[in-house]
Amino acid sequence: AQKVTQAQTEISVVEKEDVTLDCVYETRDTTYYLFWYKQPPSGELVFLIRRNSFDEQNEISGRYSWNFQKSTSSFNFTITASQVVDSAVYFCALSEVNNAGNMLTFGGGTRLMVKP
Amino acid sequence: GAVVSQHPSRVICKSGTSVKIECRSLDFQATTMFWYRQFPKKSLMLMATSNEGSKATYEQGVEKDKFLINHASLTLSTLTVTSAHPEDSSFYICSAPRAPRRDTEAFFGQGTRLTVV
Repeated sequence: AQKVTQAQTEISVVEKEDVTLDCVYETRDTTYYLFWYKQPPSGELVFLIRRNSFDEQNEISGRYSWNFQKSTSSFNFTITASQVVDSAVYFCALSEVNNAGNMLTFGGGTRLMVKP
Repeated sequence: GAVVSQHPSRVICKSGTSVKIECRSLDFQATTMFWYRQFPKKSLMLMATSNEGSKATYEQGVEKDKFLINHASLTLSTLTVTSAHPEDSSFYICSAPRAPRRDTEAFFGQGTRLTVV
């Protein structure tokens, strides 16, 4: 069975601090995809990144960066110089192919609060 | 712009009534759509897989008769919460893959916040 664990349920930082959100996953698949989504208070899910299991290069997008470590089954997310607008719940997810498509197993989420 | 549209975004209904939530793929055909449920301050849990032309596949513990799913066309799936009760109050969100491959980004609808009073 696939499982995604986000050990940090809530994180509070002061604006401009860097913050790392942890994600650890379990899967028996050799090919899989990992995702991060942002969920602001309005509820919609904002896609941040998709990474396949064969690509272990770290990725940077503006203030966001992701560290994929296959050896430790982790896919951590770092926000540099956090801003108040970053306050949201962040979900890490793992993709699984059922018979027909892309079904996601979500972690429990990390609520990030960035204070001015 | 949004590629998956979910309607309504918010609904309040009385106990015992039924509520229908629609999920539409806007510029692609989706033979499969997924319905998730999110309790307050909790994660998203898959409820069921909606399959065009066949019955939905429900996850363990999800009542089929309570949550009716109909994949009426290649662009529309509906979730009907029948005889709603306050414990059904939740955030429901659908997703549709553009293609039946796991490397496809899962496009999510905007979600529906259901409150049963």
